[in-house]
Amino acid sequence: QDHLEESGGGVVQSGGSLRLSCAASGFTFSSYGMHWVRQGPGKGLEWVALIWADGSRRDYADSVRGRFTISRDNSKDTLYLQLNSLRPEDTGIYYCVKEVRYLAGFDVWGQGTMVSVSS
Amino acid sequence: QSVLTQPPSASGTPGQGVTISCSDSRSNVGNDYIFWYQHLPGTAPKLLIYRNSQRPSGVPDRFSGSKSGTSASLAISGLRSEDEADYYCAAWDDRLRIWVFGGGTKLTVL
Repeated sequence: QDHLEESGGGVVQSGGSLRLSCAASGFTFSSYGMHWVRQGPGKGLEWVALIWADGSRRDYADSVRGRFTISRDNSKDTLYLQLNSLRPEDTGIYYCVKEVRYLAGFDVWGQGTMVSVSS
Repeated sequence: QSVLTQPPSASGTPGQGVTISCSDSRSNVGNDYIFWYQHLPGTAPKLLIYRNSQRPSGVPDRFSGSKSGTSASLAISGLRSEDEADYYCAAWDDRLRIWVFGGGTKLTVL
């Protein structure tokens, strides 16, 4: 069964850094584009970043471009998100997400990892 | 403010039908696909509808999606208590190369 498990969340001060990891299992990780989606407290879902299956392309939301970096290690079936220059508005649950295929939606979501940025 | 506008709330009684709208304020998006996700508190979101009207396997046919021009809708028939959740529409913006989500609609089953 397809499974994603995030880790690495925590409490950090404004301006600090964190590295989130997402371990994938149950599917051929290297064949799928992957994303990070977050949800702030009391807010809706917000897409953060994507990386192509082979890692050749990455795209970011305006709100995180230049501060966050998405990467993957297909030999370890693991997705990463490096969060730098964190701001209080980055607080929220960060979900690791698998896409079905190009423009077919996100079919597998992890349970999320909480990031809390204090001012 | 998202470019995809949803009503903040919707409600219905068990057995009834309800429709949630998603209006796209971007130009030239007639051919863009809309996706719908169901999010129950404390759980991972679930893909309900992809490419405007397609249902992934395992999603009941009580859920249906449609799109006309810049407006899309999610219809839920035969409401059940377990349908009480937040519903989000989403779309890929090929010009900006970003995914956008609507603000979400909280569905209450009375």
